[in-house]
Amino acid sequence: EIVLTQSPGTLSLSPGERATLSCRASQSVSSSYLAWYQQKPGQAPRLLIYGASSRATGIPDRFSGSGSGTDFTLTISRLEPEDFAVYYCQQYGSSPTTFGQGTKVEIK
Amino acid sequence: EVQLVESGGGLVQPGRSLRLSCAASGFTFDDYAMHWVRQAPGKGLEWVSGISWNSGSIGYADSVKGRFTISRDNAKNSLYLQMNSLRAEDTALYYCAKGPAAIVIGSWFDPWGQGTLVTVSS
Repeated sequence: EIVLTQSPGTLSLSPGERATLSCRASQSVSSSYLAWYQQKPGQAPRLLIYGASSRATGIPDRFSGSGSGTDFTLTISRLEPEDFAVYYCQQYGSSPTTFGQGTKVEIK
Repeated sequence: EVQLVESGGGLVQPGRSLRLSCAASGFTFDDYAMHWVRQAPGKGLEWVSGISWNSGSIGYADSVKGRFTISRDNAKNSLYLQMNSLRAEDTALYYCAKGPAAIVIGSWFDPWGQGTLVTVSS
């Protein structure tokens, strides 16, 4: 199965700053079948990005995804207070679908 | 509005069984594959199982294969997970999630229910 490694484990930033989160796959992710989710404490995950770069419905344009092959990035252009959360990547190009271990974006 | 509501979780002894349910509303249930994803306390996400729109294609994580059975009743807009031979490592919050299409493969998950907690302990 494809192993996804997210880095860094924790990102400490201030509101207004830019956040860059990495997701690296152990094998190439076919057709850029990669998604990103946001999870806040006590809440279910929320889909942000699918197909590596397509924003889900209702997701603000400060969230963007990029990458292909084995290297993918989620960028939050300017952090809002509500963006401090844990972010997960998921590959769905190979079975079984797998998730990264998560990156926590915390307030500095 | 799409809504997924899980139920059936609880405290169960190792080796026993539990059946989870997910009630869906706000979309045409039998047009979409459905999935179960779990999250152990303080841990990350793990896909458990998925089922196609007509139950013709089903998949399981290796960690639950042979012990868990996914099913759906399109007439009742409901998804189920029968969990047998439960182990301590099955302790987790179990989420029901909708796929983007009728088939299981190639699925991201949107939206997710709020989850139902399963605790396996003696």
